[in-house]
Amino acid sequence: KAGVTQTPRYLIKTRGQQVTLSCSPISGHRSVSWYQQTPGQGLQFLFEYFSETQRNKGNFPGRFSGRQFSNSRSEMNVSTLELGDSALYLCASSLEAEGTEAFFGQGTRLTVV
Amino acid sequence: GQNIDQPTEMTATEGAIVQINCTYQTSGFNGLFWYQQHAGEAPTFLSYNVLDGLEEKGRFSSFLSRSKGYSYLLLKELQMKDSASYLCAVNVYNQGGKLIFGQGTELSVKP
Repeated sequence: KAGVTQTPRYLIKTRGQQVTLSCSPISGHRSVSWYQQTPGQGLQFLFEYFSETQRNKGNFPGRFSGRQFSNSRSEMNVSTLELGDSALYLCASSLEAEGTEAFFGQGTRLTVV
Repeated sequence: GQNIDQPTEMTATEGAIVQINCTYQTSGFNGLFWYQQHAGEAPTFLSYNVLDGLEEKGRFSSFLSRSKGYSYLLLKELQMKDSASYLCAVNVYNQGGKLIFGQGTELSVKP
């Protein structure tokens, strides 16, 4: 069974640009969550999608958005990039929405210059 | 509010036992996860506790006390490869799959 796949693995962008990250969950998993990981803040919840609907949203500005497709694949988008957006972006998939083990992808390392 | 605390770093000796504590203050607690994360890699699932008590999985055990808002991860027969960050995360009732993470405990295992 394939794990959670995130693309791309590494990305370098310039301030002001926008970026789209992709996550393919484990087959059969309907819940996809996104997290931002930085040395100072640790792992911070961005949002969660379940059956193509956003179920939860963290405390991030509106520049951060996402969506989920009918095949459960998810994308997140960050517009008007800032230096502080440099981070490891992790996607986690789980079978159900609540109280089940979440499996993480390898992450996308975004560097904003 | 929601708050999760764990020590920033710990050091232990190969072959020894180490206990990593995690305290939490959340409303609507559903369950607690422990993840291991090696540098540059994805977090990997270690354990999930919903009820009070000890869950054992080989060299790793996790304990939960809901009334005290306290959990610990116990690692026995430490190996060098256990050097990693250990993340405590809480799932809150009625918030789907959202996990609230502690800052992580960086464990260094010395020979």
